Formats: sequence, structure tokens, C-alpha cells
Amino acid sequence: AQKVTQAQTEISVVEKEDVTLDCVYETRDTTYYLFWYKQPPSGELVFLIRRNSFDEQNEISGRYSWNFQKSTSSFNFTITASQVVDSAVYFCALRRETQGGSEKLVFGKGTKLTVNP
Amino acid sequence: EAQVTQNPRYLITVTGKKLTVTCSQNMNHEYMSWYRQDPGLGLRQIYYSMNVEVTDKGDVPEGYKVSRKEKRNFPLILESPSPNQTSLYFCASSLLKGQGEETQYFGPGTRLLVL
Repeated sequence: AQKVTQAQTEISVVEKEDVTLDCVYETRDTTYYLFWYKQPPSGELVFLIRRNSFDEQNEISGRYSWNFQKSTSSFNFTITASQVVDSAVYFCALRRETQGGSEKLVFGKGTKLTVNP
Repeated sequence: EAQVTQNPRYLITVTGKKLTVTCSQNMNHEYMSWYRQDPGLGLRQIYYSMNVEVTDKGDVPEGYKVSRKEKRNFPLILESPSPNQTSLYFCASSLLKGQGEETQYFGPGTRLLVL
């Protein structure tokens, strides 16, 4: 079965702290895509990153970095020097192709990050 | 600007009164999909479309209909809304797998309350 687990329901940090959001996935597919989305209090879903299963290279974008490890089926997200504006719910998602052709996203339950000033 | 738009953004209605939530994208994407987000249940797929006139059920299709008459539009229809369809709805679109850009982009969401 396809599954995405975000074990951390809520995390609270103080501004400037580093924080890592965990994501563990399960899939039998050999080709798949992993995503992180941010959902700020306003409610929209903002795309952050896509990683395909053949590319295990870690990525850094400003204060954001992602660590993809197929050996542990993990795709963790780190925010360095967190800021109040980083407060949001963060979703990890797995995109798979089903028998019917749907390329749906399977989402984790999300991690609510609160960054306090 | 590349975007997915949804209307209305907020809607309060009563049980049984038919409603349509519109979704439009300007990125020439083949794939479009509807999700609903509920506390404790996360986001679940309702319906999807691989192209014009091609639609199929997702995980939670009961009580919903969709149509795809044009590539850019993918309306979600609730023929007879019920309170258990109170939710936050998202439309998403993307290119199909293998076309080089598999990211699903989401609309701003529609908050629906069915009384």
C-alpha cells in the first residue's frame, strides 16, 4: 500500500532555531515522486519541492534543505534559522500512478510548525 | 501568471441545493484533480481527469460529479449537498507523468459549509 507518514503532528520552536520535519513513505513502485507543500494559515497549498525516485541528491534552497534517502524511505525537510513566517502546516506527498491511470497525490497528515518570536 | 483559480472561495449553502465549484488553469495541463481536506483525514482525491472528456473517480467520489469539456476547466458539482460534504476543497493541475514537470499546482481552496 502507498502511504506517507509524518510522525510529528506539531512542532514548536523559537525563531532562529533549526527544525527538521520528518517524512517516511511506503511504496512498491520503482518510479515515484515526492513533494513537500506548505499550507500557511491562509489555507492555500504552496509547492516547495519535487524529487523523483532516481534522484537522491539533496537539495538546498535558501534556508530550506531536503534530505532524500531511499534506503530508509525518508524525505526529510529542514528549515535553518526559522522565522515566524515559516509557521504553517507542512505536507509531504507521494505521487503514484494507479492502475486506472490516476496520478494522484497521497498526502501525509501534515506537521504543524509554529515559530515563536 | 501561471495559476489555478477556484470560485467561489467561500460558500455557505443548505442541504440539497445544487452547487458548482469552478476550477480553471492557464498552464495547458492535461491532468486535473479535485481533493478535499478534512481535519484528521488529510487530503483525499475526489475525482480526476487525464484530458478532455476523460474523467474518473478518486478515493471519495460519492456525492460529487465533474466534467471536463475544455482543457482548462474542471468544475466540481454537488447535485444534492449534505453536511458531510462540509470541507475545504482544492483543485489541482499538472502535466502528465513523463512530460518533464510532474508538479501538481493547487488552487487557493474553496471552503464549503453545508447546513
